[in-house]
Amino acid sequence: NAGVMQNPRHLVRRRGQEARLRCSPMKGHSHVYWYRQLPEEGLKFMVYLQKENIIDESGMPKERFSAEFPKEGPSILRIQQVVRGDSAAYFCASSQFQGSNQPQHFGDGTRLSIL
Amino acid sequence: GDSVTQMEGPVTLSEEACLTINCTYTATGYPSLFWYVQYPGEGLQLLLKATKADDKGSNKGFEATYRKETTSFHLEKGSVQVSDSAVYFCALSEVQGGSEKLVFGKGMKLTVNP
Repeated sequence: NAGVMQNPRHLVRRRGQEARLRCSPMKGHSHVYWYRQLPEEGLKFMVYLQKENIIDESGMPKERFSAEFPKEGPSILRIQQVVRGDSAAYFCASSQFQGSNQPQHFGDGTRLSIL
Repeated sequence: GDSVTQMEGPVTLSEEACLTINCTYTATGYPSLFWYVQYPGEGLQLLLKATKADDKGSNKGFEATYRKETTSFHLEKGSVQVSDSAVYFCALSEVQGGSEKLVFGKGMKLTVNP
């Protein structure tokens, strides 16, 4: 079974451009989570989605950031008008169900650099 | 909200040394507790977990016991190997309004020298 697939692995953008990060969950998983890891920091929760629904976006900045998980295709984290402070590693995780007995499986992340 | 405080590094050990990474938490409920490991350039992998008080999680020679009285979940290994070099994250699951998410500590980088 393929694990959680994220692409691209590395993304470079200039200030003001848009960044689109993609995440394909593990087969059979319908729960997707996005986390952000700033340099020298732990991961911070951003958003939790199920197919076609945003369940919890309490960790996502109110402006410029959006996420979706369509019925078909990968989950997308979109950052508009990027700024230097958006430079970070963005990790996606998926689980089959929700609950502590259903561990979240992480992808290898997308490392976003803003010039 | 809930939070996790863990020992910060970096830490360098010699092969076969003992390892302890301290982790304490604050939570309003009774969260599940996790240790994740991140190898260079990779995502996080679940190392072990415990879902209730006095549970012991173990994997690959690592152990951690869920201590409710001290709100701790310290990670231990009796004899580390070079291949254990990685960043270790302590985490808890926070349940809020029908959503369950992971709350992480800052991570501790471990380097094991031959």
